[in-house]
Amino acid sequence: DAGVIQSPRHEVTEMGQEVTLRCKPISGHDYLFWYRQTMMRGLELLIYFNNNVPIDDSGMPEDRFSAKMPNASFSTLKIQPSEPRDSAVYFCASSSGEPTEAFFGQGTRLTVV
Amino acid sequence: AQSVTQLGSHVSVSEGALVLLRCNYSSSVPPYLFWYVQYPNQGLQLLLKYTSAATLVKGINGFEAEFKKSETSFHLTKPSAHMSDAAEYFCAVTRSGNTPLVFGKGTRLSVIA
Repeated sequence: DAGVIQSPRHEVTEMGQEVTLRCKPISGHDYLFWYRQTMMRGLELLIYFNNNVPIDDSGMPEDRFSAKMPNASFSTLKIQPSEPRDSAVYFCASSSGEPTEAFFGQGTRLTVV
Repeated sequence: AQSVTQLGSHVSVSEGALVLLRCNYSSSVPPYLFWYVQYPNQGLQLLLKYTSAATLVKGINGFEAEFKKSETSFHLTKPSAHMSDAAEYFCAVTRSGNTPLVFGKGTRLSVIA
């Protein structure tokens, strides 16, 4: 398996623009997580899904953030409109069953100017 | 709620010296504990995990960690540091395998030649 695949690896956008981050989890995994990493706050859980259903989105910072998982092999995290404080590395991770670790993608480095 | 505290945001050791990275956890139920490593511009990779079996856990790259319930600790050690060990290390906790990991702030390990 190729692991968790995220795209794009880097994204630079202007404030106010819509940004969409994409994730393909490991085949057969039924949990998908979106994390955000910043220097100030470390790794924060934004939202996670089980069998394509959002379970907990309490970490989503604002209504500008939304996430979807239309099928078992694809998820998106959208920011609309983007702001400079959204600049961070966004990670997608997937896992299956318990007790097991989450497998992380390479991340998307987002810069909002 | 679960949480972890990593003591020391930056640790510097000489090549060949002992590596000790500290992690203390807080959990109201028996925890599952993990150590991840992150190399620059990469995702997180699992080093080792504790899932209520043996208290001394061996991981990849010569790392190991010992679960000490009485001290609520899960410190990461390696007898002899190598230059390639320079990276960011994260301790994480969860109460079960199908709930998201909660990460510490991370410890950056530098290895001096």
